[in-house]
Amino acid sequence: DSGVTQTPKHLITATGQRVTLRCSPRSGDLSVYWYQQSLDQGLQFLIQYYNGEERAKGNILERFSAQQFPDLHSELNLSSLELGDSALYFCASSGSFPTVTNEQFFGPGTRLTVL
Amino acid sequence: GDSVTQMEGPVTLSEEAFLTINCTYTATGYPSLFWYVQYPGEGLQLLLKATKADDKGSNKGFEATYRKETTSFHLEKGSVQVSDSAVYFCALIKEPNFGNEKLTFGTGTRLTIIP
Repeated sequence: DSGVTQTPKHLITATGQRVTLRCSPRSGDLSVYWYQQSLDQGLQFLIQYYNGEERAKGNILERFSAQQFPDLHSELNLSSLELGDSALYFCASSGSFPTVTNEQFFGPGTRLTVL
Repeated sequence: GDSVTQMEGPVTLSEEAFLTINCTYTATGYPSLFWYVQYPGEGLQLLLKATKADDKGSNKGFEATYRKETTSFHLEKGSVQVSDSAVYFCALIKEPNFGNEKLTFGTGTRLTIIP
């Protein structure tokens, strides 16, 4: 158990809809990362938040957005869903004090299916 | 841009065979290198890492050496077990500094060990 939790585990929805994926990082971790794993694109970095602020952006579509709340949990919002958005979405966290390490701890993922 | 190239899979071996999964990278500077493992239905787990040239990461019988001259980080294990069956990802963090550390992944190599 990595200590990172993600809900829901599975999500099935229709094209055009909007969903929210939730991530709770390990206790004390300040950074949260979102990754998308799909068959055709592999594992791709989407976005990173550090202590509530956006820190880095990757291949994230404009239809997608994220935020990190004061309690450090994060949400990834996906809107106007398309069939191609079907994927496994991982959250990872890092950055517990006092030991600073670049190791990222991954949650179990949310499997999104768009029908 | 930064990239990681992994040996194409799938790889099938008999129990107790020697394993090598090749990984090469393209990145400027001095990236940190990682191997992550994904067991069926689970998230990614860090297997081992190396943060500077000639470092050897090791864990659970797996080893990989950071070779800057060949930009490689090949994963090896002397005697594989059925329980090693999983997907293995090579990854890098380009400029490891706290708070800005997205992972760039290879495509993954599916390993199956036959009893």
